[in-house]
Amino acid sequence: DAMVIQNPRYQVTQFGKPVTLSCSQTLNHNVMYWYQQKSSQAPKLLFHYYDKDFNNEADTPDNFQSRRPNTSFCFLDIRSPGLGDAAMYLCATSIQGGNQPQHFGDGTRLSIL
Amino acid sequence: EDKVVQSPLSLVVHEGDTVTLNCSYEVTNFRSLLWYKQEKKAPTFLFMLTSSGIEKKSGRLSSILDKKELFSILNITATQTGDSAIYLCASLRGANNLFFGTGTRLTVIP
Repeated sequence: DAMVIQNPRYQVTQFGKPVTLSCSQTLNHNVMYWYQQKSSQAPKLLFHYYDKDFNNEADTPDNFQSRRPNTSFCFLDIRSPGLGDAAMYLCATSIQGGNQPQHFGDGTRLSIL
Repeated sequence: EDKVVQSPLSLVVHEGDTVTLNCSYEVTNFRSLLWYKQEKKAPTFLFMLTSSGIEKKSGRLSSILDKKELFSILNITATQTGDSAIYLCASLRGANNLFFGTGTRLTVIP
């Protein structure tokens, strides 16, 4: 059973056209993360929510924003996608504290035309 | 600057071989070291290591952490073609921040 679900699996958008990626979880974890993984590179943390508290990484571009309307859902909004934003976007969840591993969704592969 | 360095970058072995993948790290506020397996989709959790010298095992896979020398190894014995994947090492910095290495691409040929 899928526990961290990302939709869609593949997303194509036009240069500059806003796009939203979604993530939902059935684990009731209180921390949710968004990573960007470009081809042949390591996943890179963009931001995470600890409950409703938003934590942005210092080098995450302003073009990237996130929303977490409730425990189960988290969205990644890219306001004006550029060609360099083409990547796999991974959502992950974990339980805060106690050194718990993060559990990943299957990712959304974003292409920019 | 924090670093997680994996070696080798890629590795090709025959079925039945044993492989050792290496991960060294220098990160601030280190909490634990994690290993993930990534095929075409999401990274799948393998191990989390917090204490030095305690081997964790799962079937043919095992891993150990050395916090003095700042490295970890992942061993896979009797490799199978299904072990072909990218193996990612990541350091947990603080409570929530996973910092990944670029991975080792393992190819197991029949």
